Amino acid sequence: EPEVTQTPSHQVTQMGQEVILHCVPISNHLYFYWYRQILGQKVEFLVSFYNNEISEKSEIFDDQFSVERPDGSNFTLKIRSTKLEDSAMYFCASRGPTYEQYFGPGTRLTVT
Amino acid sequence: AQSVAQPEDQVNVAEGNPLTVKCTYSVSGNPYLFWYVQYPNRGLQFLLKYITGDNLVKGSYGFEAEFNKSQTSFHLKKPSALVSDSALYFCALYSPSNTGKLIFGQGTTLQVKP
Repeated sequence: EPEVTQTPSHQVTQMGQEVILHCVPISNHLYFYWYRQILGQKVEFLVSFYNNEISEKSEIFDDQFSVERPDGSNFTLKIRSTKLEDSAMYFCASRGPTYEQYFGPGTRLTVT
Repeated sequence: AQSVAQPEDQVNVAEGNPLTVKCTYSVSGNPYLFWYVQYPNRGLQFLLKYITGDNLVKGSYGFEAEFNKSQTSFHLKKPSALVSDSALYFCALYSPSNTGKLIFGQGTTLQVKP
C-alpha cells in the first residue's frame, strides 16, 4: 500500500540554523500539505501546495518558512532561521482525488 | 469560522465495552468530517470520513461514526473496544476552501483497560 514517507525522523538543530525537512508524498497525489504538532497540542495546518505553488498558508507560515517540490517526487519544508518555538512534530500529508489526506510518520524537530 | 471541538481530553473504557469519542463542529455550508488515530511516535492514520449520504459511516478496525446535522456532531463509536484501540484520536473538518486543509480538534486519548 502506498504511503507518505518523511526524513529524518528526528532533527536536532541550534537556534538560528536552517533546517530542511523532507517528504515523499504518494506518487499519484496532487495536493500536498505540511502540518505541525507542538507537544501536547493539536495538529495545526501550515501550508498547502498544488500545481507547483502555495495555495494557502497559515499565520504560522511566515517568511522563515518555505516549501518546494524540486523534482516531482520530493516535497520539502525549509525553516530558514529556527527558533526555540519551532520545536514540534512536523507532518507531511498528501491527497488524491478523494478528500482524505494521508500523513507521513512525522519529523520531530528539536531546536536548542 | 470553522472549528472542531472534542470535549473530552480522555475517555476510559473497559475492554469489550462500547466506546464513544465525541466531536462537534462549526462550519458554514456542508461539513466534510474525518477521524484520524495516532499511535505513540507514529503519524496520523485515516479511520473514516463523512462527505454525504448515510449518516452512519463505517471505517477501519471496526470503527464507525454517526453524523448528526442538527446537533453538529460526528461521534466516533465502536461496539466492542480492544486494548489495542488505546491511542490518541482526532476529529477533523475539511475546510471548504480550494486547498482542502484539515482543521483538527484538540484530540482525545482513548484508554482501554483489560
